Amino acid sequence: GENVEQHPSTLSVQEGDSAVIKCTYSDSASNYFPWYKQELGKRPQLIIDIRSNVGEKKDQRIAVTLNKTAKHFSLHITETQPEDSAVYFCAATYILTGGGNKLTFGTGTQLKVEL
Amino acid sequence: GAVVSQHPSWVICKSGTSVKIECRSLDFQATTMFWYRQFPKQSLMLMATSNEGSKATYEQGVEKDKFLINHASLTLSTLTVTSAHPEDSSFYICSARVGRFTEAFFGQGTRLTVV
Repeated sequence: GENVEQHPSTLSVQEGDSAVIKCTYSDSASNYFPWYKQELGKRPQLIIDIRSNVGEKKDQRIAVTLNKTAKHFSLHITETQPEDSAVYFCAATYILTGGGNKLTFGTGTQLKVEL
Repeated sequence: GAVVSQHPSWVICKSGTSVKIECRSLDFQATTMFWYRQFPKQSLMLMATSNEGSKATYEQGVEKDKFLINHASLTLSTLTVTSAHPEDSSFYICSARVGRFTEAFFGQGTRLTVV
């Protein structure tokens, strides 16, 4: 099955700095990689995703890069703000032709943006 | 985006009793729903995949007689924790996909405490 590793487990940055979270996956057939943000006691919220036919995707201050050869993908947050503080999870999944899939999550990164 | 509603948000029960958690897709039909368990400061661990009209597919190590899953309609899946014990205390979250789209939407989660 799929195995997803995520680093670092905790990350502290100063407000305005950039934050980078990295993940690796094991199944070369994986073709969809979402990132979720989870605040304490709340549901995970999708913040950005990327498919395997794309190398990079950006949405305002958030970007994701994918290296299929190395089987790793990264989340980049620029100009961090205190409200970015949360736990971030990467995930990987293999999309079947019939639509079936299941997400395998990374271990999470606790991001703290300090004033 | 699609809305997934989970109920109850929190529940406290006595050891030996059973607890039912509901997961509803409010504005779309979900042929597949997923049930996750999350311990404090840990990642989401997939417990089972719930398929409408058929038996759930459980992940390795998850007791199907302990965690009963029913997906009787395209908008409702239920997870019943039977004969609950303190070690079953956890945060349980469901998710569902919209048809062939790969994005997964999460319910708000259920905090189960067994005393």
